Amino acid sequence: MDLVESGGGLVRPGGSLRLSCSASGFTFSNFIMNWVRQAPGKGLEWVSSISSGGSSTNYAPSLRGRFTISRDNAKSSLYLQMNGLRVEDTAVYYCARITGSRNLWSADSWGQGTLVTVSS
Amino acid sequence: QSVLTQSPSLSGAPGQRVTISCFGTFSNIGNNVVNWYQQVPGKAPKLLISYDDLLPSGVSDRFSGAKSGTSASLAISGLQSEDEADYYCATWDDSLNGPVFGTGTRVAVL
Repeated sequence: MDLVESGGGLVRPGGSLRLSCSASGFTFSNFIMNWVRQAPGKGLEWVSSISSGGSSTNYAPSLRGRFTISRDNAKSSLYLQMNGLRVEDTAVYYCARITGSRNLWSADSWGQGTLVTVSS
Repeated sequence: QSVLTQSPSLSGAPGQRVTISCFGTFSNIGNNVVNWYQQVPGKAPKLLISYDDLLPSGVSDRFSGAKSGTSASLAISGLQSEDEADYYCATWDDSLNGPVFGTGTRVAVL
């Protein structure tokens, strides 16, 4: 199976960016998907989650209202719309496939990541 | 900000056994399964241990996981140079209603 992120790049503070994650090798519509980010030299931070059908979403409290997760199961694709970007949003953004929900949460496969740099 | 605490670094000689600890609370480790990830700098995280102590297919059996109460541990036996990486614990947090990651431990092979 494979997860490939795209859409990262350099953006000014206050700008927007849309990340994509293309999935292959598994039945995408059967899995919860997450976005996880990692700022330069820092640890991993959960960003957002979306249910297998796309009807339920959740966000890290500090990001709620600025980021929107979505998916297109027909295209086996996951998205992250990021608005009002801040310097502190600079990070590598990973998409991850999730097996198990809530207390059985486990991210068993990760993409290679896409770098988002927010700078003036 | 991580809510799971790990020691920043540890080192060991080739062939040694090292143990990485992860400390949390009842709302995360105490009530949910723990995963461990290995991340070589510049690469994506790789799942090493799931469901507290389950080794995914293809992962070396030199890695093992354990959990007790609100803490978890990852042991690496027969340390090899290829084990040099950052290691993160992760689990669901009932208060956050989302997953949380540990602060990460960098392992060096002397």
